[in-house]
Amino acid sequence: EAGVTQFPSHSVIEKGQTVTLRCDPISGHDNLYWYRRVMGKEIKFLLHFVKESKQDESGMPNNRFLAERTGGTYSTLKVQPAELEDSGVYFCASSGQLPSSGNTIYFGEGSWLTVV
Amino acid sequence: KQEVTQIPAALSVPEGENLVLNCSFTDSAIYNLQWFRQDPGKGLTSLLLIQSSQREQTSGRLNASLDKSSGRSTLYIAASQPGDSATYLCAAISGNTPLVFGKGTRLSVIA
Repeated sequence: EAGVTQFPSHSVIEKGQTVTLRCDPISGHDNLYWYRRVMGKEIKFLLHFVKESKQDESGMPNNRFLAERTGGTYSTLKVQPAELEDSGVYFCASSGQLPSSGNTIYFGEGSWLTVV
Repeated sequence: KQEVTQIPAALSVPEGENLVLNCSFTDSAIYNLQWFRQDPGKGLTSLLLIQSSQREQTSGRLNASLDKSSGRSTLYIAASQPGDSATYLCAAISGNTPLVFGKGTRLSVIA
């Protein structure tokens, strides 16, 4: 069974450009999460989808970030326009049921974004 | 607001040594606590998940304990090996809120 896959694995873009990150969750997982780790900081929550609906987007830093999950399958996270402080690792994760129910959350390898 | 702290930030031990990694959290009303491993340039691998009703979980040489009343969890690694070198992260799960991570402990096991 395939795990959580993310694309691209690495991206270097110039300030002001646009980048779109993609996440394919484990098949059948309704819950999809985006997290981010910037240099020297802890991994922080961005948002949570349940199927195609945004359950919680309280962690989204500002309106330059747009996440979608069309059809409740894969998700995209677009950063437009990118700023230097957006550099970091963007992790996607999925779970069948909520982690609070004792279900493990599975993470992808991350998309490493560098804004120059 | 839940905050998770991991001590130490970095640890270097000789091969074969037993070691303990510490994780503390401020809100004891957690549902679960999960330990992860991250290798350089890689994603997060789940190691152990402890539900609030449990006190510990074991997997091979790893043993994780949870003490909700004191807001602490420990990850015990027995007979450490160079392949155990990685960053270890703990994350608290409270209700339906997303995982709250600590900054991690970077472990180096020297052959």
